[in-house]
Amino acid sequence: AQSVTQLDSQVPVFEEAPVELRCNYSSSVSVYLFWYVQYPNQGLQLLLKYLSGSTLVKGINGFEAEFNKSQTSFHLRKPSVHISDTAEYFCAVSEFGGSQGNLIFGKGTKLSVKP
Amino acid sequence: NAGVTQTPKFQVLKTGQSMTLQCAQDMNHEYMSWYRQDPGMGLRLIHYSVGAGITDQGEVPNGYNVSRSTTEDFPLRLLSAAPSQTSVYFCASSEGGRSGNTIYFGEGSWLTVV
Repeated sequence: AQSVTQLDSQVPVFEEAPVELRCNYSSSVSVYLFWYVQYPNQGLQLLLKYLSGSTLVKGINGFEAEFNKSQTSFHLRKPSVHISDTAEYFCAVSEFGGSQGNLIFGKGTKLSVKP
Repeated sequence: NAGVTQTPKFQVLKTGQSMTLQCAQDMNHEYMSWYRQDPGMGLRLIHYSVGAGITDQGEVPNGYNVSRSTTEDFPLRLLSAAPSQTSVYFCASSEGGRSGNTIYFGEGSWLTVV
């Protein structure tokens, strides 16, 4: 079974500052890793995903994440945030090679960008 | 391009009532699923389907029923609503066959049970 821990439930940051949202996972098998973003009163949108290959993954809106197998982490970063990045961010995993691709989600991190 | 469409967007139910949340996708995706989102809990899988006529339970299936008669539609039925089912429900879909495929989410259905 897999589990996902998002270490911060809320992250306040000033506009144009860098941000890191932390995600650790636990699994007895290899996994795929995802970050989704949810804007207020909307559904979830994929930011980026790691399947294989380079451990640094670039996504939409200037976000990137780095897969660290030894630390079982997949932290999300952005060098300079905007007000429009205010949202809730979810880290998720699915079992490598699985036949259905069900996602296991973390509890989310609310990013609040202040002017 | 409609993607994943959920109806209704908002619903208030009385305890014991039944209802169906509708979900339709126009991407010819084999995989569809339902999640519920509760504050501080993230999203939890209720039921999923890997193709027409095939459904299976997720993490929190109790009190919910699903069927998949067509590729496009995957309705979620609440058999006898309880206040604990007050939540935001998300339908999702992806191309089937393997994990790692991007899962696309609908805009959500806000359900309140009083």
